[in-house]
Amino acid sequence: KAGVTQTPRYLIKTRGQQVTLSCSPISGHRSVSWYQQTPGQGLQFLFEYFSETQRNKGNFPGRFSGRQFSNSRSEMNVSTLELGDSALYLCASSLAGEGLSPLHFGNGTRLTVT
Amino acid sequence: AQRVTQPEKLLSVFKGAPVELKCNYSYSGSPELFWYVQYSRQRLQLLLRHISRESIKGFTADLNKGETSFHLKKPFAQEEDSAMYYCALSNQGAQKLVFGQGTRLTINP
Repeated sequence: KAGVTQTPRYLIKTRGQQVTLSCSPISGHRSVSWYQQTPGQGLQFLFEYFSETQRNKGNFPGRFSGRQFSNSRSEMNVSTLELGDSALYLCASSLAGEGLSPLHFGNGTRLTVT
Repeated sequence: AQRVTQPEKLLSVFKGAPVELKCNYSYSGSPELFWYVQYSRQRLQLLLRHISRESIKGFTADLNKGETSFHLKKPFAQEEDSAMYYCALSNQGAQKLVFGQGTRLTINP
């Protein structure tokens, strides 16, 4: 099976712009989660989608949003970019029906905001 | 609030020596605890979870609810164990993990 695929691998944006990141989960996985990784804050949970619905949400401002499509692929959007949004954004998929299933991570998208 | 603390950012041991990576957590309910590992140039991957009570690559971890700890141990370190290790906690089945800051383990030959 192909692993979790994230595109693009690298992005450079300017403050105030918006950005969309994409994640294709492992075939058959219905849950997609997003995490932000920075040197200062480490790995922080953004949100989780299951069957096209946001099921869990972290403590990030409304500028961070996401969605999931019927094929379980997910996108994450960040609007009005700030310098502090520079980070590695990781997507993870899991089977996740009821209960917690192990997360399978992608390689991440490295976002740099200048 | 849920929190995971890994007190050591860096840990260096010699090959063949025992390894213990510390993890403490704060959570009022019954958490699920995990160890994730990231080897050089590889993606983050699950190493083990406490409910499985299994040994993976020689590593074990026991959940100690009294001490709120979930330390990762291996009796004899190998060079291929060098990696970044993250302890993580989940709220009773919620697909949402709280990660510690990670410990970079280096095994010296």
